[in-house]
Formats: sequence, C-alpha cells, structure tokens
Amino acid sequence: DAGVIQSPRHEVTEMGQEVTLRCKPISGHNSLFWYRQTMMRGLELLIYFNNNVPIDDSGMPEDRFSAKMPNASFSTLKIQPSEPRDSAVYFCASSFMGQPNSPLHFGNGTRLTVT
Amino acid sequence: DAKTTQPPSMDCAEGRAANLPCNHSTISGNEYVYWYRQIHSQGPQYIIHGLKNNETNEMASLIITEDRKSSTLILPHATLRDTAVYYCIVRVGNSGTYKYIFGTGTRLKVLA
Repeated sequence: DAGVIQSPRHEVTEMGQEVTLRCKPISGHNSLFWYRQTMMRGLELLIYFNNNVPIDDSGMPEDRFSAKMPNASFSTLKIQPSEPRDSAVYFCASSFMGQPNSPLHFGNGTRLTVT
Repeated sequence: DAKTTQPPSMDCAEGRAANLPCNHSTISGNEYVYWYRQIHSQGPQYIIHGLKNNETNEMASLIITEDRKSSTLILPHATLRDTAVYYCIVRVGNSGTYKYIFGTGTRLKVLA
C-alpha cells in the first residue's frame, strides 16, 4: 500500500500564475478530501468527493479555486490565478465510505509558496 | 464547525503516560471519535477511533465516557518522538457521505 500520493511536494510560483496540485488516493478508497493548512487558520476542509462526485465544496475560498476528480485514482486542485495569500500546505486525504468507521489517510502535502 | 474542544497545549515527561482530553458534548449516537496527530508539517497520522467502548491499539488507548461527551487519548509511555499536535475529531454526515472537521488540537511536548 503506497498511501496517498501528492505531487509536487513543493511549488513556488509567482502571483497570477496557474497552480495545479495532484493527488492519487489509496487504491480502493472511494472518498477524497482536500485540506489547506496555515498557521492562522489551521486545517481547513476545502472540498470532498464521494465516488468521484463533489459532495461539499463549501470550504473552497473563492472561484479561483477548482477541484476535479476525473476517475477513482486521480484528483486535482487548481488555483487560477494564484495570490500570495494562497501560500499554505495543501493536503489530500482518502478513505473508504463503505465502512462507517473507516479512518482518513493523508498524503504528505504540497507546500505552496506564491510570491 | 468543529464539534470538539481540546486544551491548546500540554507537557509530559518522557516515559510517563500522556493523557490528552477532548470534549465532544454535541456528539450524536452514531458518530465516531477519531484521533490524529501531526508531526511538524507532515500529513496528519491516524492513531485510533472509537464509538462507545474503550479501544486500544499499538499506539494508544482511547477512553470514552459513558455519556460519550468526552474522551481521553492515552499514550502509555511517551517518548520524545510523540511530540506533536494531537487532534480529536468527530466525523459528521450521514447516508454514506461524511466529512472530518479538524479543530485546533493540543500541542503535546514530551520533555526529556
């Protein structure tokens, strides 16, 4: 089991550029979550998917953020255009919703710096 | 809309038991309590979860009060590597769609 895989591990970009973060969930998991972590706001849930369908995107900060899950093994979080206040660590996590007590498994995150 | 409250920080002597409390007074009957920890900026690591009964695994023990309004995570013999932020969360949702809302957690420092 390779765990949740996120890429890139680090991303440095200039304000106004498009940023795409990638996530591969654990094989067999059918729910995927995107979180953002900053010192000021802690761990925030941005959006989550169940069976590749977005269920709740109320945590997405604004229209500059979008997320997709084209298949069960891949998801992207896109920021366009990026701003310095988007600098944070972005985590992807997955779980299996078929079990009522299935825990959440996190990737190692993508550290985004927008200058 | 985190449903849990935890003390912001705690210290524990190395080799002693670390007892981390969590209040979840609004928990519903079928909601599980989960514990995670985060070391530096790594992804949160799952520790243990429970519904009603006390649970134990190789990492920790979880004690849930009979009314389920609070719980305690116990690290029986804390080591320096247990220094981390510990999160207690309640999974919210229904009908197979759940989400996990993290609060601010407890920063545990294990002292040599």
